[in-house]
Amino acid sequence: AQTVTQSQPEMSVQEAETVTLSCTYDTSESDYYLFWYKQPPSRQMILVIRQEAYKQQNATENRFSVNFQKAAKSFSLKISDSQLGDAAMYFCAMYSGGGADGLTFGKGTHLIIQP
Amino acid sequence: KAGVTQTPRYLIKTRGQQVTLSCSPISGHRSVSWYQQTPGQGLQFLFEYFSETQRNKGNFPGRFSGRQFSNSRSEMNVSTLELGDSALYLCASTPLGRGGSETQYFGPGTRLLVL
Repeated sequence: AQTVTQSQPEMSVQEAETVTLSCTYDTSESDYYLFWYKQPPSRQMILVIRQEAYKQQNATENRFSVNFQKAAKSFSLKISDSQLGDAAMYFCAMYSGGGADGLTFGKGTHLIIQP
Repeated sequence: KAGVTQTPRYLIKTRGQQVTLSCSPISGHRSVSWYQQTPGQGLQFLFEYFSETQRNKGNFPGRFSGRQFSNSRSEMNVSTLELGDSALYLCASTPLGRGGSETQYFGPGTRLLVL
């Protein structure tokens, strides 16, 4: 069975500062994909960033970047220059091969941006 | 392109009733997945449909079923509703259903309340 764990139920950061959200995962598959999704109060899930496990280079999307540590099975999200619009629930998710049952999500981290 | 749409957005039912939720994927997308989101269990995969065939199914009882039409629109049905079925039901679509190699685009969800 595959699992995704987010150990931080809630994080708070000052506007314009940097925050890192943690995620660890477990899978026996060698081929898998990792994602960070954002869910604002509107409840619409929005993809923030994705990482293919076979790629060593960490993914980056503007102010969002990941620190992918494959051996440690860690996949953290760094948000630079935090903005008020970044306030949301952030979910780490994984998709692995071998007939996997859709995306496996962590429990989420509630990110609060303080002005 | 229009995004994934779900109808209805809100629904109130009583125990024992059945309910049907609808999801229209992004134009050209052939795969639709369904997820249930609850405060206690988080986000859980229900099933995935591709070209009118169910390809994967999560660990849910047989009361949860679905189907996909030739235009890729999908419906999910829950029979004999229980209080625990109260949740946000999300659907997501991808072009070819190639697992993690494609990004899943989510709809706004249907919030179901069972009384």
